[in-house]
Amino acid sequence: AQTVTQSQPEMSVQEAETVTLSCTYDTSESDYYLFWYKQPPSRQMILVIRQEAYKQQNATENRFSVNFQKAAKSFSLKISDSQLGDAAMYFCAYRSGNTGNQFYFGTGTSLTVIP
Amino acid sequence: KAGVTQTPRYLIKTRGQQVTLSCSPISGHRSVSWYQQTPGQGLQFLFEYFSETQRNKGNFPGRFSGRQFSNSRSEMNVSTLELGDSALYLCASSFIQGEGTDTQYFGPGTRLTVL
Repeated sequence: AQTVTQSQPEMSVQEAETVTLSCTYDTSESDYYLFWYKQPPSRQMILVIRQEAYKQQNATENRFSVNFQKAAKSFSLKISDSQLGDAAMYFCAYRSGNTGNQFYFGTGTSLTVIP
Repeated sequence: KAGVTQTPRYLIKTRGQQVTLSCSPISGHRSVSWYQQTPGQGLQFLFEYFSETQRNKGNFPGRFSGRQFSNSRSEMNVSTLELGDSALYLCASSFIQGEGTDTQYFGPGTRLTVL
């Protein structure tokens, strides 16, 4: 089974600053998808950004961008101009392109935004 | 378009009882996945249903079962509840056809407490 590792259980960032959350994964597949999900306290998990493994260009969504290093099996999330509403648990997730719709999640990084 | 809905939102049961949780996917989504989320284990995949058939299954005991109806709504059942079954149970749906079908959209979850 694929494994997803988030080595930073907690991170903090000053409001308006930039923070990078790390994620590494282990797979022997060439076709897969990677995701970052955000789960605010006591609120619903929502998709932040997604990346197809076959695309070399890093995905961006407004203030959120990824650094996808396929050879290194690394998929970090950069949050620019951090806002108080960015405070949440962030999960990195992997989905195989071949074996159905099963997602593998990391253990999460709790992000605190300091005013 | 309405999001993924889960009922009930909160549930308290005692050991040995059984429980049924319900999930209504986003309209047009045919894949429904279930996850158990606990502070210690993170998000663990239970199973995925597509077109009323279980396509993938995680590493959970047979006390955990599910089904999907023709309208794509899904139910999850846990029999003979144990204290360790206390968790947030998340349901996620996917379109499974066309662009962006790999993405899962999550419901708010059902918080199950076993006493």
